[in-house]
Amino acid sequence: DAGVIQSPRHEVTEMGQEVTLRCKPISGHDYLFWYRQTMMRGLELLIYFNNNVPIDDSGMPEDRFSAKMPNASFSTLKIQPSEPRDSAVYFCASSLGGDNTEAFFGQGTRLTVV
Amino acid sequence: QQQVKQSPQSLIVQKGGISIINCAYENTAFDYFPWYQQFPGKGPALLIAIRPDVSEKKEGRFTISFNKSAKQFSLHIMDSQPGDSATYFCAASTMNTGNQFYFGTGTSLTVIP
Repeated sequence: DAGVIQSPRHEVTEMGQEVTLRCKPISGHDYLFWYRQTMMRGLELLIYFNNNVPIDDSGMPEDRFSAKMPNASFSTLKIQPSEPRDSAVYFCASSLGGDNTEAFFGQGTRLTVV
Repeated sequence: QQQVKQSPQSLIVQKGGISIINCAYENTAFDYFPWYQQFPGKGPALLIAIRPDVSEKKEGRFTISFNKSAKQFSLHIMDSQPGDSATYFCAASTMNTGNQFYFGTGTSLTVIP
């Protein structure tokens, strides 16, 4: 397996534009997590899914953020409208769940909102 | 509210020395404590993990010490090497919350030759 795949790797957008980040989890993993990493706040959990169902979205900062998982092999994180303070590295991770709780991270998407 | 508190924020160690990073937690329901290693431009990757039924776990040069009563755990890197220079995150989770991970704020380790 190629691991968790995120796209794009880098995104530069203007304030007010819509941004969509994409993630393909490892096949067979039941859990998918979206994290945001900044120098100030470290790794923050935004939302996670179990079997494509959102379980906890309490970390989503504002209504401008939304996430979907239409099937077991694809998830998106959308920011609309984007703001400069959204600039960060966004990571997607997946895990098997149950007793095997290791989370496998993608390489991240570095988002810059100017 | 930070569920897992990590220190120090940064650490500089001579090659061959011991690197020690500490973490503390409050939620006694946590039952899985991993350490993740992150190199620049990469996502975090699992380094070593421990469950609260043991007080220590060792894998090569990496050891986790776990103190359940104090609600603390630490990562020890023996014979630190320049290739160990990375950011280290401790984390905690519990199966009762669907494997939701709570990460510490990270420690930037630099091992100087």
